[in-house]
Amino acid sequence: AQKVTQAQTEISVVEKEDVTLDCVYETRDTTYYLFWYKQPPSGELVFLIRRNSFDEQNEISGRYSWNFQKSTSSFNFTITASQVVDSAVYFCALSEAWTGFQKLVFGTGTRLLVSP
Amino acid sequence: ETGVTQTPRHLVMGMTNKKSLKCEQHLGHNAMYWYKQSAKKPLELMFVYNFKEQTENNSVPSRFSPECPNSSHLFLHLHTLQPEDSALYLCASSQGERQTNEKLFFGSGTQLSVL
Repeated sequence: AQKVTQAQTEISVVEKEDVTLDCVYETRDTTYYLFWYKQPPSGELVFLIRRNSFDEQNEISGRYSWNFQKSTSSFNFTITASQVVDSAVYFCALSEAWTGFQKLVFGTGTRLLVSP
Repeated sequence: ETGVTQTPRHLVMGMTNKKSLKCEQHLGHNAMYWYKQSAKKPLELMFVYNFKEQTENNSVPSRFSPECPNSSHLFLHLHTLQPEDSALYLCASSQGERQTNEKLFFGSGTQLSVL
């Protein structure tokens, strides 16, 4: 069965610090997709990135970067030079190709608090 | 921007009440979802509708009854709930092409408290 673990419940940093959010997943499927979503205080989850299991290239988008390593079943998320607006709960999620429709399995989330 | 609107934002109900949550998406999507978010637990998928047809019921108790009259609207009818049903209920939509790599677009949720 698939599972996503986000061991960090809450992280507090000071503005401009770099921070890495960890995500470890379990799946028996060879074709799967990994996602990160951000949930600001307003409540709606916002899509950040999607990665398929055959693409281990790391990705950078502005201050955000993602490190996908199949060898360790990890898909970590780094925010460089954090800002107060980055304060939110971040969710890592997994979907497996065999289900035939979007059936995301989420981790428990990591709450990031960025103070001025 | 969010093209998924949920009402009400907050709801308090007694265990004998009947209420409904409403979700509307303006994105032209064909799949809609209900998720339950409880404190310190992963988001739980409850129901999935593709082109108005229910494709997933994730062993949800019958006191939760979904309704999808068209691809743009999704309801969750609630009756005789329990206090442990208190949670944030999130609605989401996606293209509905039955692809497991689809992005989900979420509403802001309904914070439900059952007294």
